[in-house]
Amino acid sequence: QSVLTQPPSVSGAPGQRVTISCTGSSSNIGAGYDVHWYQQLPGTAPKLLLHDNNNRPSGVPDRFSGSKSGASGSLAITGLQSEDEADYYCQSYDTRVSGWVFGGGTKVTVL
Amino acid sequence: EVQLVVSGGGLVQPGRSLRLSCSVSGFTFDDYAMHWVRQAPGKGLEWVAGINWNSKSIGYADSVKGRFTVSRDSAQNSLYLQMNSLRVEDTAFYYCARGPPASWGPRDWFDPRGQGTLVTVSS
Repeated sequence: QSVLTQPPSVSGAPGQRVTISCTGSSSNIGAGYDVHWYQQLPGTAPKLLLHDNNNRPSGVPDRFSGSKSGASGSLAITGLQSEDEADYYCQSYDTRVSGWVFGGGTKVTVL
Repeated sequence: EVQLVVSGGGLVQPGRSLRLSCSVSGFTFDDYAMHWVRQAPGKGLEWVAGINWNSKSIGYADSVKGRFTVSRDSAQNSLYLQMNSLRVEDTAFYYCARGPPASWGPRDWFDPRGQGTLVTVSS
């Protein structure tokens, strides 16, 4: 059971917009800690996708955006492309475990 | 180009030890906190341990506290993870990751590079 809760899967047709939620609590996101997102393509290492809620590292397309509200974060992918098929993980800090925590991951399928 | 090359994985029996190394290049090692993140086969990501730039601040996940030790060597531009009393549930891919520049704290994120190394704990 992950500290941060994500839907197991989301899907969309090419060109559509999909969103992935990351629900936390008062000991992590709700305490004011930022949400960060990672993309893991099949068979590869995870890659930092967004940091500090909505900041893209160099090379990440602007189709990826994020937001945070209350105890939840959200990742949006607009103009979905086949190469976006991957697992996506959110991450924050939790005061209850005094450590960094991840969500369980969401598999994005492009129909 | 930023590179993090992890080595030292393999098959080990429960209760034994293993030491992972992460050799870095392409950036100033001393400017970054470093972390270990792992992923059991078919499962999600888990933060394992982290160390700040001068080794004065160190943190561990509860699942490894007392068994794993993280360290770094600036002269070698390397990060290490000494894993003792290994358990079957420690079986995972282990990734090395750098934190944000000049930072250590709850707002940190991870920048993992490279393929990681597989540690298999089995009798």
